[in-house]
Amino acid sequence: AQKVTQVQTEISVVEKEDVTLDCVYETRDTTYYLFWYKQPPSGELVFLIRRNSFDEQNEISGRYSWNFQKSTSSFNFTITASQVVDSAVYFCALRAGNNRKLIWGLGTSLAVNP
Amino acid sequence: NAGVTQTPKFRVLKTGQSMTLLCAQDMNHEYMYWYRQDPGMGLRLIHYSVGEGTTAKGEVPDGYNVSRLKKQNFLLGLESAAPSQTSVYFCASSYEPRQPQHFGDGTRLSIL
Repeated sequence: AQKVTQVQTEISVVEKEDVTLDCVYETRDTTYYLFWYKQPPSGELVFLIRRNSFDEQNEISGRYSWNFQKSTSSFNFTITASQVVDSAVYFCALRAGNNRKLIWGLGTSLAVNP
Repeated sequence: NAGVTQTPKFRVLKTGQSMTLLCAQDMNHEYMYWYRQDPGMGLRLIHYSVGEGTTAKGEVPDGYNVSRLKKQNFLLGLESAAPSQTSVYFCASSYEPRQPQHFGDGTRLSIL
């Protein structure tokens, strides 16, 4: 079975705090892809990152970083020095094997308060 | 840079009415998807298409039909709208499943 679990349903932080959003996945396939998307209050869904199962290098993009650990089946997302504009719902998703569809987590709602 | 365009953005229907949601993409993507998003339930796949002339069921297909007569368009139809179909509908497209999906801005549909 394939499954994505986003551990936190809601997170609330104060601006400038660091925050980590956890994503745990399940698949028996050895080839798979993991994705993170952002949905700000305006409603659109924005692609953030894709990682394949053969590339365990961590990724950093500005204040955003992603930690992929196959040993724990996790693909966690950290925002450093959070800002109010980071307030959004963040979704983690999995595409495994020959599946033509994405398996989505239920999302983590992040509120960054001034 | 139009990307994925959904029409309309908002609509209110009465129970039993029918309507069609249009999704158009200009990226020459093969794959197209229709999702619905409800509070606390994330994104649920309704139907998808792997190319012109093809359609397939997702996890919540009942009450919906789709058509992909042209590669760039993917239509979602509600034949007899029900209040349970009140939702935000998103269309997405991708070149192939390993690539990121690109989303439209959504259609907010209310059925009274």
